[in-house]
Amino acid sequence: AQKITQTQPGMFVQEKEAVTLDCTYDTSDPSYGLFWYKQPSSGEMIFLIYQGSYDQQNATEGRYSLNFQKARKSANLVISASQLGDSAMYFCAMRKTGTASKLTFGTGTRLQVTL
Amino acid sequence: DSGVTQTPKHLITATGQRVTLRCSPRSGDLSVYWYQQSLDQGLQFLIQYYNGEERAKGNILERFSAQQFPDLHSELNLSSLELGDSALYFCASSAETKHPDTQYFGPGTRLTVL
Repeated sequence: AQKITQTQPGMFVQEKEAVTLDCTYDTSDPSYGLFWYKQPSSGEMIFLIYQGSYDQQNATEGRYSLNFQKARKSANLVISASQLGDSAMYFCAMRKTGTASKLTFGTGTRLQVTL
Repeated sequence: DSGVTQTPKHLITATGQRVTLRCSPRSGDLSVYWYQQSLDQGLQFLIQYYNGEERAKGNILERFSAQQFPDLHSELNLSSLELGDSALYFCASSAETKHPDTQYFGPGTRLTVL
């Protein structure tokens, strides 16, 4: 079974600062993918970034980067230069590689960006 | 805009009733996933369809059923509704043909059972 743990229920960050959202995972699958999604107050789930378990480099997408430490089973999301529009819930998720593969989600971290 | 559409956006109904939620996947995506997001259970996988066939089942109640039609749209049917079924229901789609095969989510249907 897969498990995602997000230990920070809420985080505050000042505008223009960087923030790290923590995610640890547990799985027995040898090949898997890790995803981060953003859920603004409007409710939709927006895909942000992906990291494969065999990827040698940490993933980056614009202001988002993923600090992947396989041995520690962690996949932290780093948001640089925070903006007010980054205020939202952030979910870490994983799935095993291959078909018929659901996403397993963490409980989420609510990020509030302040002036 | 993810390209996944869901209707209706909001649904208010009474206990014991039956409702149908509809999802159209992104163009070209063969796989459709249904998820339920509630305050107490978080985001839970319900069921997956691939090209019309059921592929995987999660924590889906027997009162719930789904199907995927030849045009690849999917419907989630919820019957004998209970107060606890109130939740945000998401549909997601993926191509299942290319790495990393990201699941893209629709805007969700917010179901309120009174």
